[in-house]
Amino acid sequence: ETGVTQTPRHLVMGMTNKKSLKCEQHLGHNAMYWYKQSAKKPLELMFVYNFKEQTENNSVPSRFSPECPNSSHLFLHLHTLQPEDSALYLCASSQDPLATSYNEQFFGPGTRLTVL
Amino acid sequence: GENVEQHPSTLSVQEGDSAVIKCTYSDSASNYFPWYKQELGKRPQLIIDIRSNVGEKKDQRIAVTLNKTAKHFSLHITETQPEDSAVYFCAASKSNYQLIWGAGTKLIIKP
Repeated sequence: ETGVTQTPRHLVMGMTNKKSLKCEQHLGHNAMYWYKQSAKKPLELMFVYNFKEQTENNSVPSRFSPECPNSSHLFLHLHTLQPEDSALYLCASSQDPLATSYNEQFFGPGTRLTVL
Repeated sequence: GENVEQHPSTLSVQEGDSAVIKCTYSDSASNYFPWYKQELGKRPQLIIDIRSNVGEKKDQRIAVTLNKTAKHFSLHITETQPEDSAVYFCAASKSNYQLIWGAGTKLIIKP
């Protein structure tokens, strides 16, 4: 699959579990994003990485921990989540925002997370 | 913080008619306004965007208008077709990183 891929596509976990979401982009982009999408709510930006450096952290609880080992890969580590964390987690990427005015974000298919 | 309001939350139109979705933003420094379309079970995709130095932009059946004074922008879809059924999200940005998103509009095209 080309573009932005995410694994797993579906995840069910208990509140005491530890799991990780993975995102990979094949577009040569330098910025990557994690979003949370809940029903009937705006997309919530969680984290932004540009050139592997975290540039935004929108007051996300510490039970969500991002990791960006290189510009192509992004992880979201999950630990002791709550049922209200159940949502679709979307990854996105874009070209270097500092070098270009081309802002389009390319999204992955998402991971549907259910916390029991 | 910055806020983007989007209306309506659901819009049902007859096939062939026009659809208009409106968004307002709170931060007057916002200068970039994209629209994304998310079909059922699929990922959001950019369909059109506009920058603050332009008042209107068209791409075939879709157009976006921007009123900076009133801080609102709208998506117009003409001659709607079944494949236009989706959730549409507006967003506003004053940086190249962070998009502030509207809550989405579910567009239903009735045959």
